[in-house]
Amino acid sequence: DAGVTQSPTHLIKTRGQQVTLRCSPKSGHDTVSWYQQALGQGPQFIFQYYEEEERQRGNFPDRFSGHQFPNYSSELNVNALLLGDSALYLCASSLRGGKSNQPQHFGDGTRLSIL
Amino acid sequence: QQPVQSPQAVILREGEDAVINCSSSKALYSVHWYRQKHGEAPVFLMILLKGGEQKGHEKISASFNEKKQQSSLYLTASQLSYSGTYFCGTAYSTAGGTSYGKLTFGQGTILTVHP
Repeated sequence: DAGVTQSPTHLIKTRGQQVTLRCSPKSGHDTVSWYQQALGQGPQFIFQYYEEEERQRGNFPDRFSGHQFPNYSSELNVNALLLGDSALYLCASSLRGGKSNQPQHFGDGTRLSIL
Repeated sequence: QQPVQSPQAVILREGEDAVINCSSSKALYSVHWYRQKHGEAPVFLMILLKGGEQKGHEKISASFNEKKQQSSLYLTASQLSYSGTYFCGTAYSTAGGTSYGKLTFGQGTILTVHP
């Protein structure tokens, strides 16, 4: 039973570029949440997708956008990259519409470095 | 608002016990505990729902005090494999009663277990 998979594992970009990160949820999970984790900090919620729609959004600018596909996989897009966007981007999947009584299972993340 | 974890760091010898606390200034719906090792994804440990539950997972257990809006993680007879950073992720109660999956994480507690 495959867990949450994310690609790519590492990415190096320059300021102003755009990036797309991908996530496949754990088998049977229908909800995907994205988090940003800066070095030495806890993960920060970016947004959550359920039924191909953004359900909740954290305190992130519109440069951060996402998408969920009919097979429940998801993409995170970041435009006009800034140095401060350098971080580990984590995808978490959960069951039953992502209610808060359900555990979220994280993928290994994508390490994004901005030069 | 971010939950507050204490202590920030703990150093133990194998076999010793530790308690990590997670306090919130807002009414909690659920508390999710994770352990993250360096360079790896956060691993789900357990979820506590409002109602003062106590749960166990091997020699790791947790409690939820709804009156204090606080959760505590108990690690007994620690093993080397317990080393890592422990995060609590909190979901808050809403007026409608249903809470969806945005988790707000604390700053983490670094646990180091020595032989």
